[in-house]
Amino acid sequence: QSALTQPPSASGSPGQSVTISCTGSSSDVGGYNYVSWYQQHPGKAPKLMIYEVSKRPSGVPDRFSGSKSGTTASLTVSGLQAEDEADYYCSSYAGINNYVFGTGTKVTVL
Amino acid sequence: QLQLQESGPGLVKPSETLSLTCTVSGGSISTSDYYWGWIRQPPGKGLEWIGSIYYGGSTYYNPSLKSRLTISVDTSKNHFSLKLRSVTAADTAVYHCARHTFVHGMDVWGQGTTVTVSS
Repeated sequence: QSALTQPPSASGSPGQSVTISCTGSSSDVGGYNYVSWYQQHPGKAPKLMIYEVSKRPSGVPDRFSGSKSGTTASLTVSGLQAEDEADYYCSSYAGINNYVFGTGTKVTVL
Repeated sequence: QLQLQESGPGLVKPSETLSLTCTVSGGSISTSDYYWGWIRQPPGKGLEWIGSIYYGGSTYYNPSLKSRLTISVDTSKNHFSLKLRSVTAADTAVYHCARHTFVHGMDVWGQGTTVTVSS
């Protein structure tokens, strides 16, 4: 199985929005509404930010939102804050209890 | 609150077996609601799902690692374990354990443990 494709980097100024794409195939992103997004600060464990494409776990700010169209999922961070600077990874169920992560995107707050 | 903690050797020789354990505290591993998984991250690289196990023992492996991999669970000790055989330098990574469902994502993670494969 191949990793889902994400842009290596994205950036925005405080208060702006940034959107990260996550492209897969009909076998993963396109085949299931089971896309998750994770935030990872340096040296820390990943944190679940979005599950089932667009749902937020308790405690995650509503500045974080997710969507999907075809084989591409997206994470949008609105009202960027300094603490949003981190690496972001998408993941998707890939059938028969199989799981695949994205290549990761480094978000920089300018 | 639920916590996961990885443990095991930080240095493994090439061709040998990497063995790690994830101990679950603050909750039972014997829950029908969740799977228990291993994820790794090579230095400077992205996340890779290694495999997962259900408390009843059913296992689910990344096809690229399946031939070298065994994941097991010990409900009496509330922990699950990873064995990766015939390791090479490419297996050098931070290894995390996590609680998850395949639908709802990985919601509780261990802090991770660094494993270096070197002679």
